[in-house]
Amino acid sequence: DTGVSQDPRHKITKRGQNVTFRCDPISEHNRLYWYRQTLGQGPEFLTYFQNEAQLEKSRLLSDRFSAERPKGSFSTLEIQRTEQGDSAMYLCASSLGGFNEQYFGPGTRLTVT
Amino acid sequence: GQNIDQPTEMTATEGAIVQINCTYQTSGFNGLFWYQQHAGEAPTFLSYNVLDGLEEKGRFSSFLSRSKGYSYLLLKELQMKDSASYLCAVRVDSNYQLIWGAGTKLIIKP
Repeated sequence: DTGVSQDPRHKITKRGQNVTFRCDPISEHNRLYWYRQTLGQGPEFLTYFQNEAQLEKSRLLSDRFSAERPKGSFSTLEIQRTEQGDSAMYLCASSLGGFNEQYFGPGTRLTVT
Repeated sequence: GQNIDQPTEMTATEGAIVQINCTYQTSGFNGLFWYQQHAGEAPTFLSYNVLDGLEEKGRFSSFLSRSKGYSYLLLKELQMKDSASYLCAVRVDSNYQLIWGAGTKLIIKP
């Protein structure tokens, strides 16, 4: 257990539905990252926050994806109008500053049917 | 573009030594990380190199050559629990973004 938690651990949804995932980082970590990972691939960067500010969002990321970190603590990732191609493991990570290693949560596995 | 190459899969014997290579071509370089990921689990941090040379941490060592765009992870005295994927990631710029390789799946045989 790295101290980063994610909820839910698994989510099955039908195409077209909206889903929301939550991440609780290590409390003193000011940076929070969202990644997506598919089988046999490394994590793909989605977005990151420094405190409550969203500093960067992947250019590859559809407008259907949105993330928030309203008080600089937990974060949510919402996917609207899910598609089958959204099926993946969604990983959250946190770090103390941008220079240090990232600690990952257990991930949320999304299956879109 | 950004590119990180690792072998897809390697096999080694329990008790032996294995070296997992990583080569990178990136627009910048601000450090290289190795992570271990067991199947169905999240990546866990193993090592970090920013200067050329070898960093040793118990049974694991990591080497970096910035001029060659090359790193390796050396695992000694292999144990069955070392069966996992090993991910190489490069921090490319001042935004501290990580570019990830696809990972090397290491299979340990008795």
